[in-house]
Amino acid sequence: KQEVTQIPAALSVPEGENLVLNCSFTDSAIYNLQWFRQDPGKGLTSLLLIQSSQREQTSGRLNASLDKSSGRSTLYIAASQPGDSATYLCAVIRGSTLGRLYFGRGTQLTVWP
Amino acid sequence: GAGVSQSPRYKVAKRGQDVALRCDPISGHVSLFWYQQALGQGPEFLTYFQNEAQLDKSGLPSDRFFAERPEGSVSTLKIQRTQQEDSAVYLCASSPRDRGESFFGQGTRLTVV
Repeated sequence: KQEVTQIPAALSVPEGENLVLNCSFTDSAIYNLQWFRQDPGKGLTSLLLIQSSQREQTSGRLNASLDKSSGRSTLYIAASQPGDSATYLCAVIRGSTLGRLYFGRGTQLTVWP
Repeated sequence: GAGVSQSPRYKVAKRGQDVALRCDPISGHVSLFWYQQALGQGPEFLTYFQNEAQLDKSGLPSDRFFAERPEGSVSTLKIQRTQQEDSAVYLCASSPRDRGESFFGQGTRLTVV
């Protein structure tokens, strides 16, 4: 069974800080890993997708890394802004099964001005 | 359309009523998933379609839950004889291929009273 854990559960920081959100998974035989953002009352917005053969992906101020052997991924947010406030979810697709996602419970981020 | 569309956005049902939730995936996407998200939790897998074939329904919590995608495009999730524990946000996602990047709709918030 694949279990995904995200630490911390909540984070509150002042604007401008660089942040690291952590995700760990128990079964290292993953196919890919995806980071999402969820705003209150909304669906999920895909941020970054990392294939199992990749070490990192970058999009703007976001950088996600993957260490498959240790079962970890980190999402780095540079120069945080109040508009980054949301819940960030990590999810993996296992290598041995169809493409369902296994999610963590998310990190709720608040960036205050 | 440009993204995954779900309707209705909100649904209030009396206990015992049947409900039907609709998902319009991104055009041409082969894979379609339904997830259930309880408050403060990550989404939990319900079922998966590849075109019109339901390949995995292992996440459906009871036989009151039924999903279909008869023409390989629009999908409907039906819940019969709703119970209070069915109250949650139901999310639909589509992907261009099995184990590809998932794109989510805005979700349907179901409240059973």
